[in-house]
Amino acid sequence: DAGITQSPRHKVTETGTPVTLRCHQTENHRYMYWYRQDPGHGLRLIHYSYGVKDTDKGEVSDGYSVSRSKTEDFLLTLESATSSQTSVYFCAITATANSPLHFGNGTRLTVT
Amino acid sequence: DQQVKQNSPSLSVQEGRISILNCDYTNSMFDYFLWYKKYPAEGPTFLISISSIKDKNEDGRFTVFLNKSAKHLSLHIVPSQPGDSAVYFCAALNNAGGTSYGKLTFGQGTILTVHP
Repeated sequence: DAGITQSPRHKVTETGTPVTLRCHQTENHRYMYWYRQDPGHGLRLIHYSYGVKDTDKGEVSDGYSVSRSKTEDFLLTLESATSSQTSVYFCAITATANSPLHFGNGTRLTVT
Repeated sequence: DQQVKQNSPSLSVQEGRISILNCDYTNSMFDYFLWYKKYPAEGPTFLISISSIKDKNEDGRFTVFLNKSAKHLSLHIVPSQPGDSAVYFCAALNNAGGTSYGKLTFGQGTILTVHP
């Protein structure tokens, strides 16, 4: 899994609560990404980072924020979780802009 | 508005035969295409890619074909093996626009089952 650890692997939370998902990499790769996977949609990009404190929005960024204070960690925060954010969340990394993504094993989030 | 579509949710194939997975796209700006394979409870893994300047790319048992005029690509697996059973995603990007390979548009995925 290219040295990527996502935590937690599973989480159940209630609507309206804040949630933070963590992606930790040991590859010292510059580029990090958060995707969500939903039936009928494949994977969709939420946010991405090109370096420490350098982040930008993806296709489905509403309701999410990210932070990257260290090269190895990329945090995804749901400020106030909603049922529509029930999904499987994948973190991915690449060393360069032109390298294929390496994905973590995902976090399954259920918002009740 | 799905710009990358995999219209077959599932495909069942006998071991040793050919598996053909199809993908269509609507955005003519896409110029680089990738296939990923995903096993349950794991993240997707990169399989093979193709640039729009080519119409075919081969890697062992895996071949990707690109038909730009039809905006269609396909992944051929020959011969298919039970270990190939997984979900296959095609993905696309506009590389000429300076987009990194991480900013992908994915299809919905096709579940491939290879029977022994």
